[in-house]
Amino acid sequence: DTGVSQDPRHKITKRGQNVTFRCDPISEHNRLYWYRQTLGQGPEFLTYFQNEAQLEKSRLLSDRFSAERPKGSFSTLEIQRTEQGDSAMYLCASTTTYEQYFGPGTRLTVT
Amino acid sequence: AQSVTQLDSQVPVFEEAPVELRCNYSSSVSVYLFWYVQYPNQGLQLLLKYLSGSTLVKGINGFEAEFNKSQTSFHLRKPSVHISDTAEYFCAVTVNTGNQFYFGTGTSLTVIP
Repeated sequence: DTGVSQDPRHKITKRGQNVTFRCDPISEHNRLYWYRQTLGQGPEFLTYFQNEAQLEKSRLLSDRFSAERPKGSFSTLEIQRTEQGDSAMYLCASTTTYEQYFGPGTRLTVT
Repeated sequence: AQSVTQLDSQVPVFEEAPVELRCNYSSSVSVYLFWYVQYPNQGLQLLLKYLSGSTLVKGINGFEAEFNKSQTSFHLRKPSVHISDTAEYFCAVTVNTGNQFYFGTGTSLTVIP
């Protein structure tokens, strides 16, 4: 068990560019979640996968955001046409039940 | 939908004193409740959880929490804090599907020597 890993840890991009983040969950975990966390706030739910199926997506999530989990293993989160308001820490968590194990996060800065 | 309110954004407390971090939730259905801790420059770590059974749950590092359904609360307590407990604490809620988790805005606990 090597824990949840995320790549990259930091990303700086210019406004309007596309970015993609990767999350590798703990191998036997079938549930995977993406969150966004800004300074002084708690994690905000973005989307949820059970195996390869995306079962839940936040209604607040812009159409510029898309996520995939091919073959129910790693997951990617893509943000198209980034805006300064997208600057945040993006967290991934995985579990088989309700105890979520979080990765270290990807810090996105949009300039 | 569910929501979580953490009433105290910052809690300073002297070392070896007791502490209580408050969490209230709102939901029209039965919920599962969690406390997570985030140490500086580290990821979130589960402290404790309530799924069912005894309303008093014990977690790691000497923390405990009590589920109070009538008051829709899940307050976190520790009888004697240490410097190492300085961190951000988040309360979270979900329902039995586990499809979405809702987190509070966090409480920053600072333990003063």
